[in-house]
Amino acid sequence: KQEVTQIPAALSVPEGENLVLNCSFTDSAIYNLQWFRQDPGKGLTSLLLIQSSQREQTSGRLNASLDKSSGRSTLYIAASQPGDSATYLCAVIDTGTASKLTFGTGTRLQVTL
Amino acid sequence: SAVISQKPSRDICQRGTSLTIQCQVDSQVTMMFWYRQQPGQSLTLIATANQGSEATYESGFVIDKFPISRPNLTFSTLTVSNMSPEDSSIYLCSVGRGGVPDTQYFGPGTRLTVL
Repeated sequence: KQEVTQIPAALSVPEGENLVLNCSFTDSAIYNLQWFRQDPGKGLTSLLLIQSSQREQTSGRLNASLDKSSGRSTLYIAASQPGDSATYLCAVIDTGTASKLTFGTGTRLQVTL
Repeated sequence: SAVISQKPSRDICQRGTSLTIQCQVDSQVTMMFWYRQQPGQSLTLIATANQGSEATYESGFVIDKFPISRPNLTFSTLTVSNMSPEDSSIYLCSVGRGGVPDTQYFGPGTRLTVL
């Protein structure tokens, strides 16, 4: 059974810092990996999706990498801003599971002024 | 992308009652899913809503407790039956079109509190 873990569980950084969020998964037979952002009391916003054949994806200040063989992904946030404060979730779709997402435990990020 | 709405956005219910949550998408989608997020936890898949047939439930979830309907490609409902305080959670629907890249999009969620 696929298990997805995120480290750290919580992170507080001053504005302007670059930071890395980590995601690991136990079964490397994934179809893709998706990073989401969740704001308190809100739904999920899709940030980046990496196909299993890809190594990384970039969107603005966000860069996500994928090392499928070692079961790891990182989300890099450049020049953090207070508006980046949220919970970040990674999720994988296992090969042959018809689009079902298995979510990680989440990293709660706070960017302070 | 897809624009997804859920009703109600939140509710407070009494033990033993049932609540039906609606999920509406602005365009036809292949896949629709229902997730539960218990307080302080990540998301857990309840079931896949299949258009025109019975939903496919994940381990630990049963149809009698969480009946699901999907009458067409843009709409689904999830009912939480015979509620107890342990059912207090955020319930989210998500949609996807399958294929590549198979991005999934989520509704805003329904925050349920059971007293």
